[in-house]
Amino acid sequence: NAGVMQNPRHLVRRRGQEARLRCSPMKGHSHVYWYRQLPEEGLKFMVYLQKENIIDESGMPKERFSAEFPKEGPSILRIQQVVRGDSAAYFCASSQRFFEKLFFGSGTQLSVL
Amino acid sequence: EDKVVQSPLSLVVHEGDTVTLNCSYEVTNFRSLLWYKQEKKAPTFLFMLTSSGIEKKSGRLSSILDKKELFSILNITATQTGDSAIYLCAVAPNTGNQFYFGTGTSLTVIP
Repeated sequence: NAGVMQNPRHLVRRRGQEARLRCSPMKGHSHVYWYRQLPEEGLKFMVYLQKENIIDESGMPKERFSAEFPKEGPSILRIQQVVRGDSAAYFCASSQRFFEKLFFGSGTQLSVL
Repeated sequence: EDKVVQSPLSLVVHEGDTVTLNCSYEVTNFRSLLWYKQEKKAPTFLFMLTSSGIEKKSGRLSSILDKKELFSILNITATQTGDSAIYLCAVAPNTGNQFYFGTGTSLTVIP
C-alpha cells in the first residue's frame, strides 16, 4: 500500500515561471491537505480539499496560488509567476476521514532563482 | 489566534539518555494533539492524543496529554542515534479544517 506520493521531489523555477506540484494520496484517502514549510518554521496550512471540492483555502495566498483535486488523478498545487519568497518545502498530506491523523508525502522542495 | 509552542527548540544528548519534549497549546475547542517525527523528508506519525492522563506508548517512546494545563510531553528513553530528528507537535481544534503545527524540537543524539 503505497504512501502519499509527491512529485517532483525538487523543482527549480526562474522568477515569473509557473510551478506545478503533484500529490497522490494514500489509497482510500479522500482528504488532502497542503502545507508549506520554511526553514526553522513550522508547517503552515495552505488548503484542504476533498475530491473535486476545495473545502478550506484560508491559508493560501489569494493571488497566484491555486489547488485542485479532480475526480481522477492527483491533487495539484499551482503557483503562477513564482517569486523568490515562494521558495520552500511543500508537503501534501492525506487522511481517510476528516481530522484523522495525517499521512505526509516526502515533499517538494521548490527553489526560485 | 490558535497557537502551538514547542520547547526546547533544540536538544543535544548522548546515546542512552532520556529526553522530554514539550508542547503547549492555545486552541479554541480542542479536538486532538498529534506528534510527528521528521527526518530528512516526510513527517511520520507517532501518536494521537485526545484524552487527558492516558499515556500512549510505542517502544521507547511515550506521550501524555494534560487538557487542563494545555500541554503534552513526548518522552524518549534510552535514546539512539536514529532518534535524531525534528519532532513536531500539531493540534486540531473542533472548528475549522486545519491542524496547527509547532516549529518543532530538533533532537540530536550523539554516540
